[in-house]
Amino acid sequence: DAGVIQSPRHEVTEMGQEVTLRCKPISGHNSLFWYRQTMMRGLELLIYFNNNVPIDDSGMPEDRFSAKMPNASFSTLKIQPSEPRDSAVYFCASSSGQPNSPLHFGNGTRLTVT
Amino acid sequence: DAKTTQPPSMDCAEGRAANLPCNHSTISGNEYVYWYRQIHSQGPQYIIHGLKNNETNEMASLIITEDRKSSTLILPHATLRDTAVYYCIVRANSNYQLIWGAGTKLIIKP
Repeated sequence: DAGVIQSPRHEVTEMGQEVTLRCKPISGHNSLFWYRQTMMRGLELLIYFNNNVPIDDSGMPEDRFSAKMPNASFSTLKIQPSEPRDSAVYFCASSSGQPNSPLHFGNGTRLTVT
Repeated sequence: DAKTTQPPSMDCAEGRAANLPCNHSTISGNEYVYWYRQIHSQGPQYIIHGLKNNETNEMASLIITEDRKSSTLILPHATLRDTAVYYCIVRANSNYQLIWGAGTKLIIKP
């Protein structure tokens, strides 16, 4: 099992540019989560998908952020336009969706917006 | 979900048992206790979870007090690779949300 795979591992971009982060969940998992981690705010849930459908996007900071899950094996988180305050580590996690099933996290994308 | 309280940091000698405490005095009857850890530059890693009985797996043991108001994660023979931030989280069965606190930074010393 390859685990949750995220790409890229690092992204450096200039303010105003579009950024796309990618995630491949564990095969067979039907729940997918995007988190953001900063020193100031810790780990925050951005959006939660179940069976490819967004269930809770209340954590998405603003309209500049969007997430899609076109199929069970792929999800994207897009920021357009990016701002320096978006600099953070973005994690994707998946779970089987069964009661009490733990979340399995990828190793994150470290985003730096200059 | 109930709030948890953990010490901000702890040290442990390599090869000894590391005992990480967590208080969750407002835990509800349907809430489980989960432990995750985050090694530097990696994503959080699931360790173990339990409801009221003690649990053990290949990574650790989880001891939950009878009143369920506190728990202890035990790493039986700590190694340098166990240096990480350890998070204790309580979560209801039906709730997908994990509320992450600041965790305990565990440093294993040679």
